[in-house]
Amino acid sequence: EAQVTQNPRYLITVTGKKLTVTCSQNMNHEYMSWYRQDPGLGLRQIYYSMNVEVTDKGDVPEGYKVSRKEKRNFPLILESPSPNQTSLYFCASSPDRGPGYGYTFGSGTRLTVV
Amino acid sequence: ELKVEQNPLFLSMQEGKNYTIYCNYSTTSDRLYWYRQDPGKSLESLFVLLSNGAVKQEGRLMASLDTKARLSTLHITAAVHDLSATYFCAVGPGANNLFFGTGTRLTVIP
Repeated sequence: EAQVTQNPRYLITVTGKKLTVTCSQNMNHEYMSWYRQDPGLGLRQIYYSMNVEVTDKGDVPEGYKVSRKEKRNFPLILESPSPNQTSLYFCASSPDRGPGYGYTFGSGTRLTVV
Repeated sequence: ELKVEQNPLFLSMQEGKNYTIYCNYSTTSDRLYWYRQDPGKSLESLFVLLSNGAVKQEGRLMASLDTKARLSTLHITAAVHDLSATYFCAVGPGANNLFFGTGTRLTVIP
C-alpha cells in the first residue's frame, strides 16, 4: 500500500531533550515536506526537500532540523525542544518536484513538550 | 505574505441541506487543493484544481476555482452525517510550498 509512515504517533517529552520524528514513504516520491498544525493557524511548512541531499527552510524552521540521506526517509529533528513546539506534525510527499498534484500525508505525530 | 482565508470557520448544518464553503487567497496562483481531515486523522486529498474555471465533483461535493477572483468554493449538496469533518483549502503559488487556510469544521446534524 502506498503510504507515508510517521513514527511515533504520540510523544511526550521534556524541554531540552533531543528527539527525532521519522518519516518514510514507499512511493519513490522526490518531494517531501514537514508541516505543523496548530489550532486557528492551519498547517505551516517547517522544511521541505526536493530530492536527496537537497533541503530548504519553509515558513517556520526555527528550532528544527531535517536531513534527506535517502529518497524514502525525511526525519525531523528537534535538538532542544521547547513547549512552543507542542503541536501536531505531518510529513507529506509528492511525486513532482513540488506539490504539483497535492500531497500524500502521513498519519501525524502529536508532540507535547513539558 | 500569502493569506488564505476560509469562511465560515465553523458550520453546523442539517442533513439534506446545501451549503458552500469559501476560500479566498491573496496572491496569484493557478493551483488550489481541497483536503478533508477527520478528528485525530491525517489529511485526505479531495480535489486538485489546476486552472481558472476548473470544476470537479465527487459525490455530494463540488469544488470550483476562479483564479481572477482568487476564490474557490466547496459546495455541499444534500449533506449527510458522513461529511462531518474539517475541510482545508490550500494554495500553491510556488513550487515548494502549499499555504493552508485555517480550516472549516463542518458538523452535519441528523
